Amino acid sequence: AQRVTQPEKLLSVFKGAPVELKCNYSYSGSPELFWYVQYSRQRLQLLLRHISRESIKGFTADLNKGETSFHLKKPFAQEEDSAMYYCALRGSGNTPLVFGKGTRLSVIA
Amino acid sequence: GAGVSQSPSNKVTEKGKDVELRCDPISGHTALYWYRQSLGQGLEFLIYFQGNSAPDKSGLPSDRFSAERTGGSVSTLTIQRTQQEDSAVYLCASSLAWTGEFGQYFGPGTRLTVT
Repeated sequence: AQRVTQPEKLLSVFKGAPVELKCNYSYSGSPELFWYVQYSRQRLQLLLRHISRESIKGFTADLNKGETSFHLKKPFAQEEDSAMYYCALRGSGNTPLVFGKGTRLSVIA
Repeated sequence: GAGVSQSPSNKVTEKGKDVELRCDPISGHTALYWYRQSLGQGLEFLIYFQGNSAPDKSGLPSDRFSAERTGGSVSTLTIQRTQQEDSAVYLCASSLAWTGEFGQYFGPGTRLTVT
C-alpha cells in the first residue's frame, strides 16, 4: 500500500530560521515524490519533484530511500513561505498521487 | 495558456439534492484526476481518467459519486443525494500522459457546502 505521512499539522518558525517539513512514505517499489504548496486563496501548485533535484524558492528536498523520507528544507524562512505544504507520492506509471495530510507552515516576523 | 478551470467555484446545496461539478483540463492533457480536500484530511483521490482507458474509480467513497469525461476533455463529477459529509473542496487536476513526472496541474477547486 502507498502511504504518505506528514507528522506535523502545524509548524511555526521565525523569519530567518531554518525550516524542515517532514515527509515519510511507504511504497514497495521506486516512488516518485513531490512537494505541492498552497498559498492562501491560491490553487495547489507543484513546488518540487525529487527526480529533478532542483531548488525552488530556496527549498530543497532529498529522497532518502533508506529512511523512506523526502523532507523539505529551507535554510532561511521568509514570511511569504507561509502556506500549506503537501508531500505526495506516485507509484508506477501516470497514476494518481497519494497525498499526505499536509503541514501548515507559519513564518513569524 | 489557460490552466485547469473548474465550475462553479462555490456550490451550496441542500441535503439530498444532486450536484454536478465541472472540470476543464489543460488542452492536450490526456490524464484527468478528481480529488477531495477536506479539513484535516488532506487530499483524497476520487477518480482518474487516462485517455480512452476505463477510469480508475477506486477512490470513490460511495455509489452516490460518479464521473464522466466526454470527448477526452471536459469532465463532470456528479454527487447524488448529497450528505453533509460530502462538504469539501473538490479539486480537478490534469497531466500529460507521457510527462507525468512533471506532476499534475490543479484547478482552483469547487467548494461544496451541503446544508
